[in-house]
Amino acid sequence: DAKTTQPNSMESNEEEPVHLPCNHSTISGTDYIHWYRQLPSQGPEYVIHGLTSNVNNRMASLAIAEDRKSSTLILHRATLRDAAVYYCILRDVNSGGGADGLTFGKGTHLIIQP
Amino acid sequence: NAGVTQTPKFQVLKTGQSMTLQCAQDMNHNSMYWYRQDPGMGLRLIYYSASEGTTDKGEVPNGYNVSRLNKREFSLRLESAAPSQTSVYFCASSGRGWNQPQHFGDGTRLSIL
Repeated sequence: DAKTTQPNSMESNEEEPVHLPCNHSTISGTDYIHWYRQLPSQGPEYVIHGLTSNVNNRMASLAIAEDRKSSTLILHRATLRDAAVYYCILRDVNSGGGADGLTFGKGTHLIIQP
Repeated sequence: NAGVTQTPKFQVLKTGQSMTLQCAQDMNHNSMYWYRQDPGMGLRLIYYSASEGTTDKGEVPNGYNVSRLNKREFSLRLESAAPSQTSVYFCASSGRGWNQPQHFGDGTRLSIL
């Protein structure tokens, strides 16, 4: 899987939007962008994924740059419960039929101030 | 909604002891995974099973064995535990297809003295 680069940590205030960046300059045409997050003392949980178009779901939005070399996970109104480590992961659709594992980096530690 | 259940939640072993970590999922998923997470690091894949009856090595398989007992259960065995295997172990499962999200258990915290 292609490599991603994320800031080590970010801080935001409760009830404000949060934009978490991810750079993936070596992304290939068959790589999808997935985001997971890991709350303290829990396993990771899926947040969202996309290919080219921006995506929205109940948890977050994913904005993908036109050249696909970067993306941004957007939490529209952060709560204290959103404090977690956020991982940006690329998945190649041609890799293992989707059954192979995820490649996690160190992610971004998001701190939410009350 | 049990999802992915891991047992035990905590375990302390002495060097050289053996143990099996258990994982079960109730989502009828085909694929199951074992990861380890060391302090301050992301997860690393140990082994995975694309379907019942198959297993494959991941990034860090040395010192571990796995068994896909049936579609629901996927166990991880440490035959002779070493201090370097002190870690938090996560099991995950997913449906068929690359775009299916992985669902994780809450982890087993394993310390080897």
